[in-house]
Amino acid sequence: QQPVQSPQAVILREGEDAVINCSSSKALYSVHWYRQKHGEAPVFLMILLKGGEQKGHEKISASFNEKKQQSSLYLTASQLSYSGTYFCGTVSYKLSFGAGTTVTVRA
Amino acid sequence: EAQVTQNPRYLITVTGKKLTVTCSQNMNHEYMSWYRQDPGLGLRQIYYSMNVEVTDKGDVPEGYKVSRKEKRNFPLILESPSPNQTSLYFCASSSHGLAQETQYFGPGTRLLVL
Repeated sequence: QQPVQSPQAVILREGEDAVINCSSSKALYSVHWYRQKHGEAPVFLMILLKGGEQKGHEKISASFNEKKQQSSLYLTASQLSYSGTYFCGTVSYKLSFGAGTTVTVRA
Repeated sequence: EAQVTQNPRYLITVTGKKLTVTCSQNMNHEYMSWYRQDPGLGLRQIYYSMNVEVTDKGDVPEGYKVSRKEKRNFPLILESPSPNQTSLYFCASSSHGLAQETQYFGPGTRLLVL
């Protein structure tokens, strides 16, 4: 079963912050985050494992609340290069991807 | 360079004409999988393979076949394509398919079935 992502889309100005949420109805071993530019393959951002850890990639960070089966991706001080579609992938017994969140960063 | 390659990148075909999309990885990965991507639905897994001669269905396997005769290759076969299989297809691989492993994606194959 696919995890649920929200929001579906977000528009930002450079320098603004955004949060993308990912939730699952199943107990999770890990959460993956990927970013896809238009017409390209998804590219790995980070993996969060059980333990409620947080990780960071540039000014993009994420948290994982295993009790709530939720993860959030934080885009801080967004840059034009952050535009794209962000996918979470949750691992219960296998990896399933959410429908994606399209992020548009404008100058 | 470590990579996953797919061929062809673009394909237009007609209903019922069998086709194969190839996928190859040079990272000695045991786990490989196929996804299709449709607007608003994200990435949905078609089939996956844990190792040579070991394959299993994903979430949307109907109308597709796969084989894993060699570790590096994992072709996707559409025996009788239909218009609802028009989509963007991605092959991916990871070392062992474990929860903490990165998935490496191929560049994608855009398929149009008329």
